[in-house]
Amino acid sequence: GAVVSQHPSRVICKSGTSVKIECRSLDFQATTMFWYRQFPKQSLMLMATSNEGSKATYEQGVEKDKFLINHASLTLSTLTVTSAHPEDSSFYICSARDGRKSYGYTFGSGTRLTVV
Amino acid sequence: DQQVKQNSPSLSVQEGRISILNCDYTNSMFDYFLWYKKYPAEGPTFLISISSIKDKNEDGRFTVFLNKSAKHLSLHIVPSQPGDSAVYFCAASPGFGNEKLTFGTGTRLTIIP
Repeated sequence: GAVVSQHPSRVICKSGTSVKIECRSLDFQATTMFWYRQFPKQSLMLMATSNEGSKATYEQGVEKDKFLINHASLTLSTLTVTSAHPEDSSFYICSARDGRKSYGYTFGSGTRLTVV
Repeated sequence: DQQVKQNSPSLSVQEGRISILNCDYTNSMFDYFLWYKKYPAEGPTFLISISSIKDKNEDGRFTVFLNKSAKHLSLHIVPSQPGDSAVYFCAASPGFGNEKLTFGTGTRLTIIP
C-alpha cells in the first residue's frame, strides 16, 4: 500500500532557529502533498498545498515566509519552520494522494515540534 | 468558524457493542466525507468514505451514514473491539478528488474490555 514517511518524528529546538521536516512518498509519486498542523485537542488544520515543481499554495492566515515549503521532486516535500517561536510548537503532519487509488490520502506519522 | 463539528469529545463503549460517532457540517458545498482513525503521535489512517449521492456505505465492521438534509453523518462500528480505541476524525471535501479536507475536532473512542 501507499506509504508516506515523515521525518523527524520529534524535534526540540531553541527559539529563533529553523527546523526542517521531510515528507516522502515511498512507493508512489505524489504530485501534490499537503501540510497540516494540529494543536492539542484541536482539529487538523490545513496549512498549505505543496505542488511539485511550483510554489506552494498557503491557506489564509498561514505565513509564507515563516513556513517554507519546497516540493522539489515527485516523492519529497519539505516544510521549514523559520525563526521558530514557542507558539509554533505543534504537531505537523503531511499527507499525499496516491494517484493509483480511487481515493485516499495517506498521512505521514507526524512531527512533534517543541520550541523552547 | 468550525465547518465540521464533532460535538462529543469522548465516548466509551463496551467491547462487542456498537460504537456510534457523530459529525455535523455546515458548508453545503461539501460533497464527499471521510472518517479517519488516529493514534497518539501518529498520522491519521483512512477508514471509510461516502459520497453525497449515497446515504450509506459499509466496509466490514464500519458503516458510515449520511443525512444530507440534516448535514449529519455518523460512523458505526460493530462489534467494537479494544483495538478500535483511538481518536476518530471526520473530514469533508467539496468533491471526490478535491484536495482540500476540512477536519472535525475528533472524538476519542475508548472500548472497555
